[in-house]
Amino acid sequence: GQSLEQPSEVTAVEGAIVQINCTYQTSGFYGLSWYQQHDGGAPTFLSYNALDGLEETGRFSSFLSRSDSYGYLLLQELQMKDSASYFCAVGILTGGGNKLTFGTGTQLKVEL
Amino acid sequence: EADIYQTPRYLVIGTGKKITLECSQTMGHDKMYWYQQDPGMELHLIHYSYGVNSTEKGDLSSESTVSRIRTEHFPLTLESARPSHTSQYLCASASGLEAFFGQGTRLTVV
Repeated sequence: GQSLEQPSEVTAVEGAIVQINCTYQTSGFYGLSWYQQHDGGAPTFLSYNALDGLEETGRFSSFLSRSDSYGYLLLQELQMKDSASYFCAVGILTGGGNKLTFGTGTQLKVEL
Repeated sequence: EADIYQTPRYLVIGTGKKITLECSQTMGHDKMYWYQQDPGMELHLIHYSYGVNSTEKGDLSSESTVSRIRTEHFPLTLESARPSHTSQYLCASASGLEAFFGQGTRLTVV
């Protein structure tokens, strides 16, 4: 089987830094990606890691440790507009191709 | 700007009707996906495809079916809609680990 776990909710203040963790258990793993979804909207891609280490994209960074089956999304200089749900997703190689399976999502609330 | 389109955006339909949700992308991606998502909940993978004439069932069992006759087109069909099918259906195409989503179809079966 497979599992992906994220915290259900995180709260932080504007201007702060927040880290959203993702732990996974699956065979056929080939990478981890992150998505943002505002209420009523579609998910939008933020970042991905196919190799261990840190990837930086503006205010957002993502980290992967394959040996620990763990990754995180780091959001810096938080803004009110960052209030949204954040999902990690694992790329999984299957006999029939490859699929992208999403985690349970983390609701981020940014406060003044 | 991602070019992936879903129609219709909203659909209210009676029980027992057959429906097809359309999804098209102009990015030439081989990989396409269908997800089902209830409000405030996670995305469940129900079907995926890695190219023309290749489709696979996803992680969540679904009574829907899909086809992939052309690279750009990945429609989802429900032969007989039921109230339990009420949900949002999201289509995506991907290049590697980067997926692009359509705006979704909100389906209500009454």
